[in-house]
Amino acid sequence: GQSLEQPSEVTAVEGAIVQINCTYQTSGFYGLSWYQQHDGGAPTFLSYNALDGLEETGRFSSFLSRSDSYGYLLLQELQMKDSASYFCAVRALDSNYQLIWGAGTKLIIKP
Amino acid sequence: GAVVSQHPSWVICKSGTSVKIECRSLDFQATTMFWYRQFPKQSLMLMATSNEGSKATYEQGVEKDKFLINHASLTLSTLTVTSAHPEDSSFYICSARDTTGGYGYTFGSGTRLTVV
Repeated sequence: GQSLEQPSEVTAVEGAIVQINCTYQTSGFYGLSWYQQHDGGAPTFLSYNALDGLEETGRFSSFLSRSDSYGYLLLQELQMKDSASYFCAVRALDSNYQLIWGAGTKLIIKP
Repeated sequence: GAVVSQHPSWVICKSGTSVKIECRSLDFQATTMFWYRQFPKQSLMLMATSNEGSKATYEQGVEKDKFLINHASLTLSTLTVTSAHPEDSSFYICSARDTTGGYGYTFGSGTRLTVV
């Protein structure tokens, strides 16, 4: 089967840097995505890694290593508004490009 | 970017009644729409995939007669929860692949369904 594992919760301090890891077991996929979801809201797209390496988008960066079946989301200069749940997801190889989701990581930011 | 409008945002209904949730793609054509439900503090659970003009594909364990999905046009997909019961209370979210040039998937704002 296909599965993605993330830590259930991560705590960090405002202004710091935090890394959320995602390890996966899948027979194949198009790319690794990251989504942010605030309580009561819908997920919003953050980043996508089709190839190995680092993708940077402002304060957020994402990394993928297919050989290690591993990726991470890096959040820099943490702000209180970054408190949310973060999900990694892979795009399956089926014809509908279905997303397979990790269980999510709740990021708690302390002042 | 691509926008999906989902209505209603929240709904309270009596047990035994039916509720329809609509998702519209506003500035792109969504040939495929994904319907999820999410329980508190859990991940998104895919319920079904709807393709415009054809029958939806339901995930294992999801009752297709209870969760009716219609995708009659390239901009509208609906989910009807029939004969709702309290255990159907959940957060329902639709999503479509961004075909405007991005790699992400666009989500509706979600519908909080409470069955009393």
